[in-house]
Amino acid sequence: DVKVTQSSRYLVKRTGEKVFLECVQDMDHENMFWYRQDPGLGLRLIYFSYDVKMKEKGDIPEGYSVSREKKERFSLILESASTNQTSMYLCASSSTERWDGEDEQFFGPGTRLTVL
Amino acid sequence: RKEVEQDPGPFNVPEGATVAFNCTYSNSASQSFFWYRQDCRKEPKLLMSVYSSGNEDGRFTAQLNRASQYISLLIRDSKLSDSATYLCGPSGAGSYQLTFGKGTKLSVIP
Repeated sequence: DVKVTQSSRYLVKRTGEKVFLECVQDMDHENMFWYRQDPGLGLRLIYFSYDVKMKEKGDIPEGYSVSREKKERFSLILESASTNQTSMYLCASSSTERWDGEDEQFFGPGTRLTVL
Repeated sequence: RKEVEQDPGPFNVPEGATVAFNCTYSNSASQSFFWYRQDCRKEPKLLMSVYSSGNEDGRFTAQLNRASQYISLLIRDSKLSDSATYLCGPSGAGSYQLTFGKGTKLSVIP
């Protein structure tokens, strides 16, 4: 069974703290993604990576950075957490096997981050 | 124009009803289309993929209209367990990204 796991389901941090969110997939997927999801705003792409050590900005990269040192692991870093980064963070992965379009994305269970 | 638009609902339907959602997209180069189901406080899970004109899986049918740039999801004989938010996600063209709509909330009522 395919699996995307995230390091924490719930996390509470204080303003100004450095926060690490970890995501691991066991499907040997090339692509990995970080989203945040907020009520009324839907899923918004923060960063994605299509290969080890490669990263691309999504729609809302400000205040975030990422790291992909190994194929199976994609980390999201909040350098200095702020209250407006309180959100549900979802990691996803996908392969590049299809010739006729993009593959589906598989999501992790999410991390609900609260910044006080 | 927003990239992906969905009617947010909520759609409140009785058990056994047929309900349809539409999703319009702006990227005419999109090749792959996905419907995801998301339960409250859970992650999205794939319901259906569409790579050509449509797809059918049991009570669920997805139809793609490339000329008008919309994709629909039809649910027949609705069950209480179908209550969820349904996200539409067309792909970019070769970018491996999906652009998600904000979702349509469905509540199936006994």
